[in-house]
Amino acid sequence: QVTLRESGPALVKPTQTLTLTCTFSGFSLSTSGMCVNWIRQPPGKALEWLALIDWDDNKYYNTSLKTRLTISKDTSKNQVVLTVINMDPVDTATYHCARAIRGQGKYYMDVWGKGTTVTVSS
Amino acid sequence: DIQMTQSPSSLSASVGDRVTITCQASQDISNYLNWFQQIPGQAPKLLIYDASDLEPGVPSRFSGSGSGTDFTFTITSLQPDDIATYYCQQYDRLPLTFGGGTRVQIK
Repeated sequence: QVTLRESGPALVKPTQTLTLTCTFSGFSLSTSGMCVNWIRQPPGKALEWLALIDWDDNKYYNTSLKTRLTISKDTSKNQVVLTVINMDPVDTATYHCARAIRGQGKYYMDVWGKGTTVTVSS
Repeated sequence: DIQMTQSPSSLSASVGDRVTITCQASQDISNYLNWFQQIPGQAPKLLIYDASDLEPGVPSRFSGSGSGTDFTFTITSLQPDDIATYYCQQYDRLPLTFGGGTRVQIK
């Protein structure tokens, strides 16, 4: 059974750096084709894809946010970390991680974590 | 980036009604489209992949169709458990993008 769980601070101040951890089980990021994404959802708004890291340590980012995002993995711990620099109140959202599988050159997203809510406020 | 336009943004229907949601991509994405269901407070759940394939364990009242730029998601007989927001998502190319969501309520 594939599960993912997000963890991190519930509250950060403007200009601070947010660090979120996704801890997963049921698959390995050392297996060819396996990937982990981060997606966020501001209150009452739609889902927004943020970043993806694959088994080969390739990293891809949201076009408009890429200067602020860094994704990394620790395969031995089954964890993926997302850092977001220079946090702003508009970054207040629930942050989800989700597994993706690369097949035929496409990244197919399937199982998600429940998410962790982050509020940006002074 | 590929833009996904989903409509309607919300709808209200009676139990047993047929519900249809549309999703349009800004460019050809072949059939690389997912449909997710998000119940408040829960993780999004994959219902349909490759535009029309039902994820194992998902009830057969859910279905999807389309290819290229125009896609449809249907619930053939709305049930109380289907109250949720539904999202389309393309995975033809990065960055992955989502539609704006359709909130489904019971009338």
